[in-house]
Amino acid sequence: GEQVEQRPPHLSVREGDSAVIICTYTDPNSYYFFWYKQEPGAGLQLLMKVFSSTEINEGQGFTVLLNKKDKQLSLNLTAAHPGDSAVYFCAVPYQGGRALIFGTGTTVSVSP
Amino acid sequence: DTTVKQNPRYKLARVGKPVNLICSQTMNHDTMYWYQKKPNQAPKLLLFYYDKILNREADTFEKFQSSRPNNSFCSLYIGSAGLEYSAMYLCASSRSWGGANTQYFGPGTRLLVL
Repeated sequence: GEQVEQRPPHLSVREGDSAVIICTYTDPNSYYFFWYKQEPGAGLQLLMKVFSSTEINEGQGFTVLLNKKDKQLSLNLTAAHPGDSAVYFCAVPYQGGRALIFGTGTTVSVSP
Repeated sequence: DTTVKQNPRYKLARVGKPVNLICSQTMNHDTMYWYQKKPNQAPKLLLFYYDKILNREADTFEKFQSSRPNNSFCSLYIGSAGLEYSAMYLCASSRSWGGANTQYFGPGTRLLVL
């Protein structure tokens, strides 16, 4: 079945710097993916849904790249600010799309 | 409104006692999920309801039960809590048809078993 690896487990960056989180999945038939953000004490907040038809997706303050050849999904935080401090999870559907398998998460700390 | 609500937010339970966690959504989603999340681990799917059909993961089949009395509510029940059940429990919901289902998560219930 589908497996997802996420790295790095921790990232410490200064405000204004960029940060990159990478997820590697195994099922070449996966055609959509998710990034979630979890702030301290909160649930998972949907950051972006990514379809395999689009290799570059831009959000507010971040860019998601999909490399289908290497089965990698990356989240690039551009010009990080303290509000970006959170745990980020990638997620890939399985069981016909009804369930998600998550990466192990990346804790991002942005210092002023 | 994409709000999923969970009650309680924090739960303290004794070993061997039952625990009941509640989740609700008003988005008329047909599928509701329960995940368990422990520190430094990925959220782990425990079970999900598609309409009235319960699907439980094989490795947690006997540890957790659930009910869905109506479309909006879903509970997670632990008959006899053990220390290993201490975790954050996340509820989510989605609309299943059309593919590319987005799951919307609640704030979670932090369970501590002593």
